[in-house]
Amino acid sequence: GESVGLHLPTLSVQEGDNSIINCAYSNSASDYFIWYKQESGKGPQFIIDIRSNMDKRQGQRVTVLLNKTVKHLSLQIAATQPGDSAVYFCAEKSAAGNKLTFGGGTRVLVKP
Amino acid sequence: AAGVIQSPRHLIKEKRETATLKCYPIPRHDTVYWYQQGPGQDPQFLISFYEKMQSDKGSIPDRFSAQQFSDYHSELNMSSLELGDSALYFCASSLEVPTGEQFFGPGTRLTVL
Repeated sequence: GESVGLHLPTLSVQEGDNSIINCAYSNSASDYFIWYKQESGKGPQFIIDIRSNMDKRQGQRVTVLLNKTVKHLSLQIAATQPGDSAVYFCAEKSAAGNKLTFGGGTRVLVKP
Repeated sequence: AAGVIQSPRHLIKEKRETATLKCYPIPRHDTVYWYQQGPGQDPQFLISFYEKMQSDKGSIPDRFSAQQFSDYHSELNMSSLELGDSALYFCASSLEVPTGEQFFGPGTRLTVL
């Protein structure tokens, strides 16, 4: 079936370093991808999105890269801060509908 | 800015009881989504509504039903609760565009004893 998954369940990073979170997806029909941040006890918070006709998109301290050839998505966080500690999910949406299919979360722990 | 409102934030029920969760979308948002997130799990899509009509259906048990009202708020009704229904239930809202960003509420934590 369709699925979106992550390679690493936990990422420990030193404050100030860059973080890279990876995600693989299997649905070739997916045309829209989103990264969400979820802090403990809170709902997922939108970080950045990318359409399938792009391979890179930058936001404030975050960059999303999309490699459709290998169905791979990554989120890069520059100069990781303690406030970045959270679980990060990738999600995909196909043109056929609006529901989000989430991948397995990666917990990012920022060490001071 | 106004966000998605969910109530109650916490709910404790016994097995076989019923529960009703409420969601109030961001003003002018016309689409509502429900997701279930078990402990340590990804959010799983349950059901969505656009302009008060069901627009998509995911892994929602037959014991659950939902609807969207004329003021766009939505309710998720859960009957014959089981222990496995214990989870966080998130509501999200968006404008109905091809890639409408979904804004999530804070969730309702349901505990079934």
